[in-house]
Amino acid sequence: DTAVSQTPKYLVTQMGNDKSIKCEQNLGHDTMYWYKQDSKKFLKIMFSYNNKELIINETVPNRFSPKSPDKAHLNLHINSLELGDSAVYFCASSQGRTSGEQFFGPGTRLTVL
Amino acid sequence: GENVEQHPSTLSVQEGDSAVIKCTYSDSASNYFPWYKQELGKRPQLIIDIRSNVGEKKDQRIAVTLNKTAKHFSLHITETQPEDSAVYFCASGAGSYQLTFGKGTKLSVIP
Repeated sequence: DTAVSQTPKYLVTQMGNDKSIKCEQNLGHDTMYWYKQDSKKFLKIMFSYNNKELIINETVPNRFSPKSPDKAHLNLHINSLELGDSAVYFCASSQGRTSGEQFFGPGTRLTVL
Repeated sequence: GENVEQHPSTLSVQEGDSAVIKCTYSDSASNYFPWYKQELGKRPQLIIDIRSNVGEKKDQRIAVTLNKTAKHFSLHITETQPEDSAVYFCASGAGSYQLTFGKGTKLSVIP
């Protein structure tokens, strides 16, 4: 039973394309996150949703648009991909505010050529 | 916003020795301090966490200490084993749906 799942696992695409990454959690959590991990392994929060509402929107280009159709799903759509978008993107979920464990998905390695 | 500093960035120890990783944070409202382990190509996973009302917590070979006055917390791994080799991240949270992560420590345990 996968707690937090992401698709696809790998994504290779050309500059300028638009792509989406999907995330689903079956833990019954009410908060979901997107993180970006660059080549230096820095983990940086991008977005956080609580009960389908956007809570955190860090200084992320507006080419990135998250969408939460329900509490169990948080998708990330990226327009006009750039070379600098190449990274591993992790989805995570937790119950409530940061008073408990965040469970991470397996990650999506995005490579922009 | 919160700033978390983590040191060292890399650490090599002989198998069986202890490893210590230190973090400092800036937001005095922070009250939750987890540590995550990320093996190569895998997802970060929680290994231990501590809350601000506790000074120390142990779980078998790993322990975390917290000094709220000095705003620093540390991860201690005793009797290190090759499978402890990974990148370790500290983080802090203040009940605002956001964890701020340190930049990670790459631990190598030499057999």
